Amino acid sequence: EVQLVESGGGLVQPGGSLRLSCAASEFTFSSYSMNWVRQAPGKGLEWVSYISSTSSTIYYADSVKGRFTISRDNAKNSLYLQMNSLRDEDTAVYYCARGLLMTGIDYWGQGTLVTVSS
Amino acid sequence: QSALTQPPSASGSPGQSVTISCTGTSSDVGRYNYVSWYQQHPGKAPKLMIYEVSKRPSGVPDRFSGSKSGNTASLTVSGLQAEDEADYYCSSYAGSTVGVFGGGTKLTVL
Repeated sequence: EVQLVESGGGLVQPGGSLRLSCAASEFTFSSYSMNWVRQAPGKGLEWVSYISSTSSTIYYADSVKGRFTISRDNAKNSLYLQMNSLRDEDTAVYYCARGLLMTGIDYWGQGTLVTVSS
Repeated sequence: QSALTQPPSASGSPGQSVTISCTGTSSDVGRYNYVSWYQQHPGKAPKLMIYEVSKRPSGVPDRFSGSKSGNTASLTVSGLQAEDEADYYCSSYAGSTVGVFGGGTKLTVL
């Protein structure tokens, strides 16, 4: 069974940084595009960032552009999200998710909570 | 990257059918046959229920169906069951951006 396990969440002050990781297993990670999707407490889903299987194509939501950086290491079956200049509104559960939003994200991790607060 | 518009709530009794709408624009829902639907139970990760407007992933009951007309996509749940009570989100490809989600609909089984 496909597994996606996020880590790295926690409490951080406004303006701070955090790096999220996602460990993938039970599928050929290097063959799939990946995403980060977040969900603020009690709110809906918000797509954050996309990276193609070879890292050749990367997209960001306008709300995080210039502050967040997505990357992957196919040798380590891992996806990352470097989050800088964090704001209160970045508080959310961050999900690692496989696939294309266009054709459907077929597997999701259980999420890691990021809380930005002073 | 404007969110798609969904009704905040929907409800139905066991065995009934309920339809949830997802309204976009001619730049997303109306232009592309790339609408997906996700089910999310409280405290759980979302689950893909429908992709490319009307296709069901393996394991999703055929009680779930999707359609599209113009700028509005719809998810229909037939033969409602208690376990269908959840939040449902639509998403659509939007061209130059990767895509957008709807605001979500809370489905209550009465």
